[in-house]
Amino acid sequence: AIQLTQSPSSLSASVGDRVTITCRASQGISTDLAWYQHKPGKAPKLLIYEASSLKSGVPSGFSGSGSGTHFTLTISSLQPEDFAIYYCQQFYSYPFTFGPGTKVDIK
Amino acid sequence: QVQLAESGGGVVQPGGSLRLSCAASGFTFSSFGMHWVRQARGKGLEWVAFIRNDGGKEYYGDSVKGRFTISRDNSKNTLYLQMDSLRAEDTAVYYCARDFRGVIPAACDFGGQGTLVTVSS
Repeated sequence: AIQLTQSPSSLSASVGDRVTITCRASQGISTDLAWYQHKPGKAPKLLIYEASSLKSGVPSGFSGSGSGTHFTLTISSLQPEDFAIYYCQQFYSYPFTFGPGTKVDIK
Repeated sequence: QVQLAESGGGVVQPGGSLRLSCAASGFTFSSFGMHWVRQARGKGLEWVAFIRNDGGKEYYGDSVKGRFTISRDNSKNTLYLQMDSLRAEDTAVYYCARDFRGVIPAACDFGGQGTLVTVSS
C-alpha cells in the first residue's frame, strides 16, 4: 500500500499567518491527491481534489500544489475557523490511504 | 448538496456483526461511487471501502478485507456496510462519503455526521 507522511504533525499559528502543510507519498501518485479539513464532532470537509483543484464553495485562501511524491496545502491567511486537523489522501491505487494528519492550533 | 445520513451503529461484542446504512439524497445516487471511512477515538482517518456506482466492483482496506462487505441498493438510494467478525480495533465513528468525481474515484465528499460503532464485551 502507498504510505503518506505529513509534516509537520502539528503547528501553532496566529490569525493572518500563512501556513503550509506538506504531504509526501512513498511512490509516485501523479496528481491523485485530496486534502480535507476535520473538526471534532463534525464530518471531514473536502477542500482540494486532484492535488490543486479547489472544491466549489471552499474559500480561495486554500490552495494545493504538487505532483508525483510531494504535495503542499497552503492557507494564505489563517482565519479563526481554519483551526482544525488537515489530512491528505491518495487515490492513485487501492487502498486509498490517508496521511496521519496535521493539527493546526492557535498560538 | 450532498446529504448523507449514516445509521446502524451501536455496541456489539467481539466476534459479532453489525450492518451500517447510509441514506443518500440531493444527488443522483446511481451515478456516483461511494466510500466508507472511519475514525477511531484519538486517531486519524482510515479509508475502509469503495463501491462503484453500479455496484459491480468493490475495494477494501487491508484491515477489513475478508470481514467487511460494502454494498448498495440504487433503487433505495442507500449504501451499506456489513461488518462481521468485529474486533475491538474496529471501534470508531463510521462515515459514508460520495465520491466527488463519480465513477473513477478522486475524493471523498462527506455529508453526514457519522455513526459510532463500539466493539466491547
